[in-house]
Amino acid sequence: EPEVTQTPSHQVTQMGQEVILRCVPISNHLYFYWYRQILGQKVEFLVSFYNNEISEKSEIFDDQFSVERPDGSNFTLKIRSTKLEDSAMYFCASSAQGSGYTFGSGTRLTVV
Amino acid sequence: QKEVEQNSGPLSVPEGAIASLNCTYSDRGSQSFFWYRQYSGKSPELIMFIYSNGDKEDGRFTAQLNKASQYVSLLIRDSQPSDSATYLCAGGTDKLIFGTGTRLQVFP
Repeated sequence: EPEVTQTPSHQVTQMGQEVILRCVPISNHLYFYWYRQILGQKVEFLVSFYNNEISEKSEIFDDQFSVERPDGSNFTLKIRSTKLEDSAMYFCASSAQGSGYTFGSGTRLTVV
Repeated sequence: QKEVEQNSGPLSVPEGAIASLNCTYSDRGSQSFFWYRQYSGKSPELIMFIYSNGDKEDGRFTAQLNKASQYVSLLIRDSQPSDSATYLCAGGTDKLIFGTGTRLQVFP
């Protein structure tokens, strides 16, 4: 069964450092998303991406965040200057329009 | 503010019973609703989606949608201990708004 692949599975970084979270969506999917889940809290929408541009972003997705699809297969989330409150599980998801998302296994980001 | 509300639980049911999970949503513009299962420390796994009023069945799972009441439910028949997880309700058109999830415990 096709799956969304995320790397790394766990990233520890110092406050103020830049991190890049990587995702390989399902190959025939056209819509890509990043969500995050702070421990014990709900899954929160960050950004959606379609046709090589951001289609929607949440209030959380401020200037410290950016997304890119550099080579037609990878989909990355960059956090420029991490804060302690950025510690969370980050999930990439992809979908073919009209169906539910498939989530990747997530990257646990720990900012120390 | 668009919200999806779920009772956090835990909902405890004996093995073999029917588990009933409920969800309400505030955005009348939401077209699609999804139920995800999430095991502790894992990513959400899609169980079912429903677009139309009424019931949709898939194996042991039945999703129900009532747009007039802004209510979505998930029934799990013949509950198994392996069904013990947090069940997330989500609604939306493009982006999904998730509820906090209901923790289900199925005891032998």
